[in-house]
Amino acid sequence: DGGITQSPKYLFRKEGQNVTLSCEQNLNHDAMYWYRQDPGQGLRLIYYSQIVNDFQKGDIAEGYSVSREKKESFPLTVTSAQKNPTAFYLCASSTLAGIAYNEQFFGPGTRLTVL
Amino acid sequence: AQSVAQPEDQVNVAEGNPLTVKCTYSVSGNPYLFWYVQYPNRGLQFLLKYITGDNLVKGSYGFEAEFNKSQTSFHLKKPSALVSDSALYFCAVRDPLSSTLGRLYFGRGTQLTVWP
Repeated sequence: DGGITQSPKYLFRKEGQNVTLSCEQNLNHDAMYWYRQDPGQGLRLIYYSQIVNDFQKGDIAEGYSVSREKKESFPLTVTSAQKNPTAFYLCASSTLAGIAYNEQFFGPGTRLTVL
Repeated sequence: AQSVAQPEDQVNVAEGNPLTVKCTYSVSGNPYLFWYVQYPNRGLQFLLKYITGDNLVKGSYGFEAEFNKSQTSFHLKKPSALVSDSALYFCAVRDPLSSTLGRLYFGRGTQLTVWP
């Protein structure tokens, strides 16, 4: 988990609320990613960004939004439009140079629970 | 389309015995393959990867994996399992011909349990 921090570790949300998950990295990586993990479903890509001020939707972007104003930060907002947000959220990063064969580094995750 | 299959949701093995966690993949080009491990309520940790060259790849904590192009497989192995190896293991693939070079496609994970 070194180099990537996610906060908070646990987050509780009431229905109808937007919440923002923080992801910060000090690895000087250009590319950053958000995944959602549900039991038995592996990791599903929500959004990813390869440069500042640019990002692309992944496979399950509906109900989520992101921003990439700084290289080291890639916050994820879970909006009220996301109908089933309870899950474990993982942030990752990687270098752009040789991105095809570089591994991604993961943060420790945020567990979001809707009350 | 790129995809990864981990055919076993769970693998159980006795400590000291060899272990194998299976992975098969589907990509349009030559694959780049990765294994990660996840302990409870933690992020994923990188174990090893295959990019090119020797089909047997050695990684962290005594793990290794064998790339088999004809069988489109990349099974994770360890000669002697430890109780501390008990965790969730993910296989991932990247297609170098994809327009989104950075994307990794993950399998659903295999829960490995090593009993004493």
